[in-house]
Amino acid sequence: GAGVSQSPRYKVAKRGQDVALRCDPISGHVSLFWYQQALGQGPEFLTYFQNEAQLDKSGLPSDRFFAERPEGSVSTLKIQRTQQEDSAVYLCASTHPSGGTYEQYFGPGTRLTVT
Amino acid sequence: QKEVEQNSGPLSVPEGAIASLNCTYSDRGSQSFFWYRQYSGKSPELIMFIYSNGDKEDGRFTAQLNKASQYVSLLIRDSQPSDSATYLCAVISGTYKYIFGTGTRLKVLA
Repeated sequence: GAGVSQSPRYKVAKRGQDVALRCDPISGHVSLFWYQQALGQGPEFLTYFQNEAQLDKSGLPSDRFFAERPEGSVSTLKIQRTQQEDSAVYLCASTHPSGGTYEQYFGPGTRLTVT
Repeated sequence: QKEVEQNSGPLSVPEGAIASLNCTYSDRGSQSFFWYRQYSGKSPELIMFIYSNGDKEDGRFTAQLNKASQYVSLLIRDSQPSDSATYLCAVISGTYKYIFGTGTRLKVLA
């Protein structure tokens, strides 16, 4: 595709609900990243995939957060039993086809509001 | 100490002036540095990357890197009101993990 796409763009969840956020990276991009961005802050790293392998999940804030990329393209970030502190923009980014430390390109983000 | 530090601003400059945005980082082993622009309500957009000491120019933008001082800056020449946004500095820690600063809000006054 032309760029990274994410859906839904906006999600309102009641506290305790489960949510699933989708990321469709640029076609052929090996590496995929998820970030959480709170208001007035820079993006905070959550997790990193190279193809279907989740190589780093050190940024996931709790075991309620789970990410997968089963076929090495589309990725889903799932948050179970949402809490108010989960309210943020969730950004997905992908990199150069060969992976590695290349510049990242971001999707439009999903704004999650937990009420 | 945060790993990547930026002054949150706002930095206000008149239209046509040079805007200078600064960033310091703590990981002396970092090799890759990026500047992103983020308009309110939008996602970060890559505008510059720099991997070597010195200056790198791209149109009205110049990135400057000084690894000895652990300092990277972005200069925007002939600033325009459309440049008003938050500018995020990002540094790669290790081999892939981006660490972002909190961003500097730039306001270009017409």
